[in-house]
Amino acid sequence: VQLLQSGGDWVQPGASLRLSCATSGFTFTSHAISWVRQAPGKGLEWVSGISGGGGTKYYGDSVRGRFAVSRDDSNSTVYLQMNSLRVEDTAVYYCARVPHVIIVPASTNFDHWGHGTLVTVSS
Amino acid sequence: QSVMTQPPSVSGDPGQKVTISCTGSSSNIGAGYGVHWYQQLPGRAPKLVMFGNSRRPSGVPDRFSGSNSGTSASLAITGLQAEDEADYYCQSYDNGLREVVFGGGTKLTVL
Repeated sequence: VQLLQSGGDWVQPGASLRLSCATSGFTFTSHAISWVRQAPGKGLEWVSGISGGGGTKYYGDSVRGRFAVSRDDSNSTVYLQMNSLRVEDTAVYYCARVPHVIIVPASTNFDHWGHGTLVTVSS
Repeated sequence: QSVMTQPPSVSGDPGQKVTISCTGSSSNIGAGYGVHWYQQLPGRAPKLVMFGNSRRPSGVPDRFSGSNSGTSASLAITGLQAEDEADYYCQSYDNGLREVVFGGGTKLTVL
């Protein structure tokens, strides 16, 4: 199982950025994928998730309305489109595989993680 | 401010046992949602070391064990080794926030 991330960059407040998470080594459509971020020196924060079929999308309060998650089954890749970026969005963003096809509140965890990509929002 | 509280730091000598607590509420751990634990080595991505309260993923040593009771959960590490020095995070789901939630993290130092 591999999750290879790309797209992190330095941008100014208000800008947009798209992160990619290219996966391999498992049946892509059988797993939900989530995004988790970690601000410098801080803890983990769940950001977003998308079900295995792409039909259900989930967002944390801090990014709802600004971020959009999507997936392309043809190349086993998940994307996080980040708009109206704020200084407080500065973090390492990880994509992580969920063992199930959907986010199941009772049991969802993240069994494989990407290496992370740094997003810096600063003027 | 996380809805699940962990001690900022714990420490132990090699060979000893340490326990990391995760205190939640009736809207997360107390609601019966599974608690999962991650180990994050410096500069690395998190790694799942316990899921479903007390189940170890393949490859995680049996020195690691998990338990929960009421609105709290804990991760115990016996036979402490230098390689266990890392940050540890608990994770569950909160039905008030309707989100996946993480504890604030605990730094484990092996003396």
